[in-house]
Amino acid sequence: AQKVTQAQTEISVVEKEDVTLDCVYETRDTTYYLFWYKQPPSGELVFLIRRNSFDEQNEISGRYSWNFQKSTSSFNFTITASQVVDSAVYFCALSTNSGYALNFGKGTSLLVTP
Amino acid sequence: DAGVIQSPRHEVTEMGQEVTLRCKPISGHNSLFWYRQTMMRGLELLIYFNNNVPIDDSGMPEDRFSAKMPNASFSTLKIQPSEPRDSAVYFCASSLRVTSGGLEQYFGPGTRLTVT
Repeated sequence: AQKVTQAQTEISVVEKEDVTLDCVYETRDTTYYLFWYKQPPSGELVFLIRRNSFDEQNEISGRYSWNFQKSTSSFNFTITASQVVDSAVYFCALSTNSGYALNFGKGTSLLVTP
Repeated sequence: DAGVIQSPRHEVTEMGQEVTLRCKPISGHNSLFWYRQTMMRGLELLIYFNNNVPIDDSGMPEDRFSAKMPNASFSTLKIQPSEPRDSAVYFCASSLRVTSGGLEQYFGPGTRLTVT
C-alpha cells in the first residue's frame, strides 16, 4: 500500500519569507514517482513537478526547489521569497508501476500575507 | 493546446435525481482518471481508464456510480440516484501512459456538485 503524509495542515508566512512544505511517503515498491500539485483558491489542480525514485537530484525552478531524500522517504518543497500569489493548497502525491493512480496527501494550506 | 475540459462546472440537484458529469481529455492522452475531492476524505481516485477500457474501478463508492469512456475524447461519470453525501468536487485528469513510469496527470477545472 502507498501512503503520503503531509503533517503541516496550515502554514502562514509573511511575504518574502522562505517556507518549506514537508512530504513523507510510504511504499514497498522499489520504483515509484513523486509529485507536487498546487490548488489555488480558484480550485484547479496545477502540476508542479515529478520525480522518479531512481533520481535523487534536487530540483530548482525559479523560486521553487524540491529536496528528495530516499533515506528519510521525504520529498520536501521549498518556496524562496514567498509571494501572495503562492497562497494555495499544495498536495504531494505518489504513484507506482503497480498502479498509475495518484495517491495524494491531505494537503498543506499556505497563506502568504503582505 | 486545450487542457482537460469538464462540464458542467457547477451542478446543483435534488436528492434522487440523476447527475451526469462530462470530461474531454487532452488530445493524445490515453489514460483518464476520475477523482473526487471532499473535506473529509481529500482527493480520492474513483476510476481509471486506459485506452478507453476501465482498468481500476475499486474506488467507485457504490452501484449508484458508473463511468463510461465511449471513445478517446469523451468520458462520463453518472450518479443515479444522487444523495447529499455525493456532494463534492469531481475532477477528471488525463495523462500519457507508457509501458513503465508514472507520468504526471493533468487535471480539469472540476465540477462542483451539490445534492440537496
